[in-house]
Amino acid sequence: NAGVTQTPKFQVLKTGQSMTLQCAQDMNHEYMSWYRQDPGMGLRLIHYSVGAGITDQGEVPNGYNVSRSTTEDFPLRLLSAAPSQTSVYFCASSYKVPSGSPYEQYFGPGTRLTVT
Amino acid sequence: AQSVTQLGSHVSVSEGALVLLRCNYSSSVPPYLFWYVQYPNQGLQLLLKYTSAATLVKGINGFEAEFKKSETSFHLTKPSAHMSDAAEYFCAVSSSGFQKLVFGTGTRLLVSP
Repeated sequence: NAGVTQTPKFQVLKTGQSMTLQCAQDMNHEYMSWYRQDPGMGLRLIHYSVGAGITDQGEVPNGYNVSRSTTEDFPLRLLSAAPSQTSVYFCASSYKVPSGSPYEQYFGPGTRLTVT
Repeated sequence: AQSVTQLGSHVSVSEGALVLLRCNYSSSVPPYLFWYVQYPNQGLQLLLKYTSAATLVKGINGFEAEFKKSETSFHLTKPSAHMSDAAEYFCAVSSSGFQKLVFGTGTRLLVSP
């Protein structure tokens, strides 16, 4: 298994441009999420999905859109990039666990995005 | 609301010395606690997790953590540091439900020869 894959690894955008960060997993995990990592702030949840066709907002959703048409893919779209979106973006996936058990998240290698 | 506090953004140790990375949590319900490690230019990898089965949790690479409810702590330790342990370490907390994983701000471990 490749696990969680993300493309591209690096991207530079100009303010106002749009782009899609790709995330795919081959573990048949139901749950997927997007985080951004900024210095001194840890990881913050942007959006998440509990299954195909179901998405919801996390802690910092503004400026980002997601969709989940298949179990495998969970792309993150920036409609109009801003310098404040310069960050490292991580996608993660998790399998469904019994009620009362914790979810273990598997992370991709990340996409480093710079917006100028 | 849940939160975690990691004391010290940087911790420096010598090779062979004890590693102690501190994590305190806040949770209104019994928490699940995690430690993740991030090596340079890589994603996060799970080191260990606390799920109430045992207060002392052993993880990969010789790390372990002890859950202390009275101190609301889940500190990460390793008896003898290796150069390869140099990385950033994140503590995280969740209750039930997939979306409720909250990360601390991270501690960068520096290991000198």
